Amino acid sequence: KAGVTQTPRYLIKTRGQQVTLSCSPISGHRSVSWYQQTPGQGLQFLFEYFSETQRNKGNFPGRFSGRQFSNSRSEMNVSTLELGDSALYLCASSASERVTDTQYFGPGTRLTVL
Amino acid sequence: AQSVTQLGSHVSVSEGALVLLRCNYSSSVPPYLFWYVQYPNQGLQLLLKYTTGATLVKGINGFEAEFKKSETSFHLTKPSAHMSDAAEYFCAVTTNTNAGKSTFGDGTTLTVKP
Repeated sequence: KAGVTQTPRYLIKTRGQQVTLSCSPISGHRSVSWYQQTPGQGLQFLFEYFSETQRNKGNFPGRFSGRQFSNSRSEMNVSTLELGDSALYLCASSASERVTDTQYFGPGTRLTVL
Repeated sequence: AQSVTQLGSHVSVSEGALVLLRCNYSSSVPPYLFWYVQYPNQGLQLLLKYTTGATLVKGINGFEAEFKKSETSFHLTKPSAHMSDAAEYFCAVTTNTNAGKSTFGDGTTLTVKP
């Protein structure tokens, strides 16, 4: 089975722009979670989707949004980019809604905001 | 609320020596605990997890961890370090009330000296 894929792998944007990141979960997985990883703040939870419904959301401003499609693929969007949004954005998928299911992480999208 | 504290942001051991990475958690409800490894420019890979049952959990690559409720700890050990174990390790916690959301520690970078 193919793993979790994230596109693009690298992205450079300027302040004020918006960006969309994509995550394709492992085939058959229905839950997708997003995390932001920075040297200063570590790994922080953004949001989680299961069957196209957002079930949980972290403490991020409204500029960060996401969605999940019927095929379980997910996108996250960041509008009005700020320098502090530079980070590695990780997506993880799991098979079901059970919190004990293993989360499989993708390689991440590294976003640089200039 | 849940939180994780990893004691020691950097741990250095000699090849063949015992690896001990410390993790303490805080949770008001029964926790589920995880250890992940991250290699440079990659996503996270699950090493092992504790959900219920046996408190000594064995994972991949010879790692194991013991859930000690009385000490609120979930330390990761490996009897004999290998050069390939050099990476960053993250402890994480989730609960039944946090669908899809794991709270991560700040990570511990393991260096293995020849």
